[in-house]
Amino acid sequence: GIQVEQSPPDLILQEGANSTLRCNFSDSVNNLQWFHQNPWGQLINLFYIPSGTKQNGRLSATTVATERYSLLYISSSQTTDSGVYFCAVVGAAGGTSYGKLTFGQGTILTVHP
Amino acid sequence: DGGITQSPKYLFRKEGQNVTLSCEQNLNHDAMYWYRQDPGQGLRLIYYSQIVNDFQKGDIAEGYSVSREKKESFPLTVTSAQKNPTAFYLCASRSYRQPPYEQYFGPGTRLTVT
Repeated sequence: GIQVEQSPPDLILQEGANSTLRCNFSDSVNNLQWFHQNPWGQLINLFYIPSGTKQNGRLSATTVATERYSLLYISSSQTTDSGVYFCAVVGAAGGTSYGKLTFGQGTILTVHP
Repeated sequence: DGGITQSPKYLFRKEGQNVTLSCEQNLNHDAMYWYRQDPGQGLRLIYYSQIVNDFQKGDIAEGYSVSREKKESFPLTVTSAQKNPTAFYLCASRSYRQPPYEQYFGPGTRLTVT
């Protein structure tokens, strides 16, 4: 099946700093989503971005499908940005995949005041 | 308010007991999913359902069972055959008939089996 690798595994920032999280995937995808998991475990949808670039406030994401990677940018980080960021994909190979998401291992972000 | 609800939030059971986790959605989504998360890990797919009365095994279905009698509901039973049932369980749903096609997640159930 499709493999998803996220880097870095851990990231520690001072409030106000910018950061870039990376997601590499091993095959073509029909869907790519970025999530933020808060300390209570809730997965919050950040972006649905199988290709192209999107922005939402201080966050933006870019997926280059032909090169099999996606980047999540966080600017002017705040302590509330802390948590785990997951990239998840639906592989395009093998016909209909029924929307099954394959998750990376996540990036743990800690933002200090 | 549209969304996905899971209950209970925390569940404690003795080894050897079956337990059923609830998942309900009022988003009118056709597809529903169950994932498991272990500490420090990403999520792994247990079961999914594209339509009422039909469901398929995911990557780690052994020791679990599901039903899909109503569009809104997709309960998961963790049976005594599941070797390591203690985990965080998340339910998700999505539309495949019209956008947006992204998956949305419920708040999760933390299951502890001793």
